[in-house]
Amino acid sequence: RKEVEQDPGPFNVPEGATVAFNCTYSNSASQSFFWYRQDCRKEPKLLMSVYSSGNEDGRFTAQLNRASQYISLLIRDSKLSDSATYLCAVNPPRAGNTGKLIFGQGTTLQVKP
Amino acid sequence: ETGVTQTPRHLVMGMTNKKSLKCEQHLGHNAMYWYKQSAKKPLELMFVYNFKEQTENNSVPSRFSPECPNSSHLFLHLHTLQPEDSALYLCASSTRGGNEKLFFGSGTQLSVL
Repeated sequence: RKEVEQDPGPFNVPEGATVAFNCTYSNSASQSFFWYRQDCRKEPKLLMSVYSSGNEDGRFTAQLNRASQYISLLIRDSKLSDSATYLCAVNPPRAGNTGKLIFGQGTTLQVKP
Repeated sequence: ETGVTQTPRHLVMGMTNKKSLKCEQHLGHNAMYWYKQSAKKPLELMFVYNFKEQTENNSVPSRFSPECPNSSHLFLHLHTLQPEDSALYLCASSTRGGNEKLFFGSGTQLSVL
C-alpha cells in the first residue's frame, strides 16, 4: 500500500460546483497534514494545513479523519482559476523534527465555464 | 516570488555531461530539500539538509551529489545521468522544529538525452 494515496482524477466540474477530494495515508502515527496546489509546469504552493478540528479558508475546507486515516479538501463555488492539481502531503512520524513530507500523486481539477 | 530561487529553469544535458543545479532561499530557514517530480508520479524526496548537515539520503544513486555550503544555499551536482533521470527537480526549504511547511522553488526541468 502506498504511504499516501489520492485519486488522480481528473475531476471535471462546472463553475460554481462543490467538489471534494480525499487523500488516504497508511501510517496511523502521522503527525501533520497539508494540501498543496500545483499549476501546470509550476512548483507546488501551500494551500492550507489540515488541523484535527478541521479548518476553513474562504471557499476551502480541510478536514482530518484519524480513525479512517484520510484527509479531505472541499472547494465550494468553484472558479475557473481553481483548475490545478491538488497534492496532499503527510509528515510521517519517522521524520522527527524535519519538514520531510510524503506527497500523494495529486488530484487534477478542471473547472469548466 | 516564493523566497526560494532555483537556477537554471531548464537544462538539457547529455549522459556524459556534468552540470549543477543551484538553489538559494531568502526565508531564513534552516532546512533544505531536493525533491524529484517525474510525470505521473508523486514528488519523491531525495535529500534533506538541516543546518548544513545531510540528514537524509533517500537511496539516491551516486550520480546525484548534493552540496550544502550554508543554510541558504543548496546544490545538486549531476554526473553521467540516464534518460530516466529526466524530471522536474524541486528545491524546498523550511524552518526546523517539526510540523513546518515546505516552500518550493520554481524547479529545474531537466532533460537527459
